[in-house]
Amino acid sequence: AQSVTQPDIHITVSEGASLELRCNYSYGATPYLFWYVQSPGQGLQLLLKYFSGDTLVQGIKGFEAEFKRSQSSFNLRKPSVHWSDAAEYFCAVGATDNYGQNFVFGPGTRLSVLP
Amino acid sequence: EAGVTQFPSHSVIEKGQTVTLRCDPISGHDNLYWYRRVMGKEIKFLLHFVKESKQDESGMPNNRFLAERTGGTYSTLKVQPAELEDSGVYFCASSQEYNRGDYGYTFGSGTRLTVV
Repeated sequence: AQSVTQPDIHITVSEGASLELRCNYSYGATPYLFWYVQSPGQGLQLLLKYFSGDTLVQGIKGFEAEFKRSQSSFNLRKPSVHWSDAAEYFCAVGATDNYGQNFVFGPGTRLSVLP
Repeated sequence: EAGVTQFPSHSVIEKGQTVTLRCDPISGHDNLYWYRRVMGKEIKFLLHFVKESKQDESGMPNNRFLAERTGGTYSTLKVQPAELEDSGVYFCASSQEYNRGDYGYTFGSGTRLTVV
């Protein structure tokens, strides 16, 4: 069965600092990988996704993620964090062996940004 | 275009009562999904409609939960009777074309359910 772990429950960074949020997955086949963000009072917004090809994926709001098959990881990065990035971030894997297109989400990492 | 709309945004009910959550997907989206996040844990899949039919309801926790999708448009998720462990955030999402394979979901902002 698929599973996703996000080791960090809560991370605090200063505005302007770099950010890396960790994500590890367990899946037998080639995974589809996603990062979502939920800001207070908002729905889940897709930041980026990886299906195949280039392992470095660019997303919205200046985020990028790198797929590393050997480490079963899909870490999210941003070179300079803005106060508006404070939110909860979810890594997810989607099955590629059926057309149900259901996600398995990680537990989430809450990001706080200090001024 | 309007996004996925969920209401109410918050609901507080007593244990044993009934609550109905509603989701209005993006117009023309055949696929409608329900997920929930309980007690700060991971977001988990509940079920998937294709138009008015239940494609996959493997995530429904028990028979206290009943989901319907009238005429392939809006969907309701009823919890009857509600238990304390049902507290959490219920998300709805929709996407176009079944079998498209691109996971083109749009999520709603969720309904926060508190059972006291």
